[in-house]
Amino acid sequence: QQQVKQSPQSLIVQKGGISIINCAYENTAFDYFPWYQQFPGKGPALLIAIRPDVSEKKEGRFTISFNKSAKQFSLHIMDSQPGDSATYFCAASNAGNNRKLIWGLGTSLAVNP
Amino acid sequence: EAQVTQNPRYLITVTGKKLTVTCSQNMNHEYMSWYRQDPGLGLRQIYYSMNVEVTDKGDVPEGYKVSRKEKRNFPLILESPSPNQTSLYFCASSRTELGLANATQYFGPGTRLTVL
Repeated sequence: QQQVKQSPQSLIVQKGGISIINCAYENTAFDYFPWYQQFPGKGPALLIAIRPDVSEKKEGRFTISFNKSAKQFSLHIMDSQPGDSATYFCAASNAGNNRKLIWGLGTSLAVNP
Repeated sequence: EAQVTQNPRYLITVTGKKLTVTCSQNMNHEYMSWYRQDPGLGLRQIYYSMNVEVTDKGDVPEGYKVSRKEKRNFPLILESPSPNQTSLYFCASSRTELGLANATQYFGPGTRLTVL
C-alpha cells in the first residue's frame, strides 16, 4: 500500500520549459514534505522541503506548491536546464511514525537542450 | 568535508556468504538509516537508528542486521545473502528527526550489491 503516489513516472521537457512533478498522499498526519534529487551513480540529495503551514516555498528555480485540502504537493522547476536531468523523489513523514520517510516511486526527468 | 561514506561501492558475491557493508558519517549525526533502491520500487528503508545502541526495523528488514556501537558507524550485515538482495544500497544520516529544523538527510554514494 503506497501512501505517497508520484506522477508522472518520466518526463521530458525542453530547455527553458517548466517541469512539474506531482505527489498525492493519504495520511493527513504527514507534516513534512521533502523533495530529493538523484543523479545517476549518486545518492539522493535534499532539494527543497515544505511544512503544511505554508502553501508555497521557493528556492531559486525550484518551487514546492502545497494543497492541504487536496492532499497534494508538487515540484515546479522553472527555466529547466539539461543539468536538471535527474530522478526526483517526493516523500512525507510525520512524528507519529518515528519520522520515517514515506517515499514516492520517483520521476525520471530529461531536459533536452 | 561533511560526508557519508560507504564501502565497498561495488560487490559481487555468492549466495550464503556473509558480508558487511560499512557506513560512516563525520557530521556527528544521531539518526542513520539504510535503504535499498530497486527499479520500480523506489527507496525502501531497511533499518534505522536514532542513536547509539538504538535501532529499529524499517519496511524491509528481513535478511538484514545492523548495529550501532558508535555514533559515526552503522554497518549493514547480510548473514546469508540471497539473490533477491541484489540491489543498490544507500546509507543516510541526519542531525535529528526529519521534519525538524535543520534536519537534512545526507545520503552516501551507494553500494551496488550482486548476489549470484
